[in-house]
Amino acid sequence: QQQVKQSPQSLIVQKGGISIINCAYENTAFDYFPWYQQFPGKGPALLIAIRPDVSEKKEGRFTISFNKSAKQFSLHIMDSQPGDSATYFCAASASGTYKYIFGTGTRLKVLA
Amino acid sequence: NAGVTQTPKFQVLKTGQSMTLQCAQDMNHEYMSWYRQDPGMGLRLIHYSVGAGITDQGEVPNGYNVSRSTTEDFPLRLLSAAPSQTSVYFCASRRTGSGNQPQHFGDGTRLSIL
Repeated sequence: QQQVKQSPQSLIVQKGGISIINCAYENTAFDYFPWYQQFPGKGPALLIAIRPDVSEKKEGRFTISFNKSAKQFSLHIMDSQPGDSATYFCAASASGTYKYIFGTGTRLKVLA
Repeated sequence: NAGVTQTPKFQVLKTGQSMTLQCAQDMNHEYMSWYRQDPGMGLRLIHYSVGAGITDQGEVPNGYNVSRSTTEDFPLRLLSAAPSQTSVYFCASRRTGSGNQPQHFGDGTRLSIL
């Protein structure tokens, strides 16, 4: 019940295309869903996050879509650029637990 | 503002050796945590702390010890290194309080156990 399942494991997209990464969770107590971006040799950095009271959040080219009834959320990267090539992790957390549960990561490569 | 600083960046140990991975943050965050990152397994929580003198176990605590004597520092100790502990270790910190707060990660310590 604590798992967060992330797919795909890897993704190759042409420059200018849309990258889509999906995550699913079971624990209905989760109320915070961040996405992290990690470049080689660096630690993960917060990209965008959403709470379950909204169905979508957009920041620049990055959008989170959230489906509470299906217990799924996804990251959309519009107009993907070679500089977006990185590993992306979804995560989930419940208020008061102080713990984040991370997905297994998606390695994105954007071809120039 | 340095954020979360981890040292060393790389380390090679022999089986049975001990060592301490250092983590320091300058953001006055109450919450600090240690994760290990292994291929195909994402980030798994080892230990965490919600303030000085308070620590608790995460998903994979066996073989690791922690202590939190100050707000700034949260070292991770391997008492007797095993090859299964070969991994990349990340320290993170964040504020506590109402709601969820974003975590800030260091750049990791890459540890190999021979």
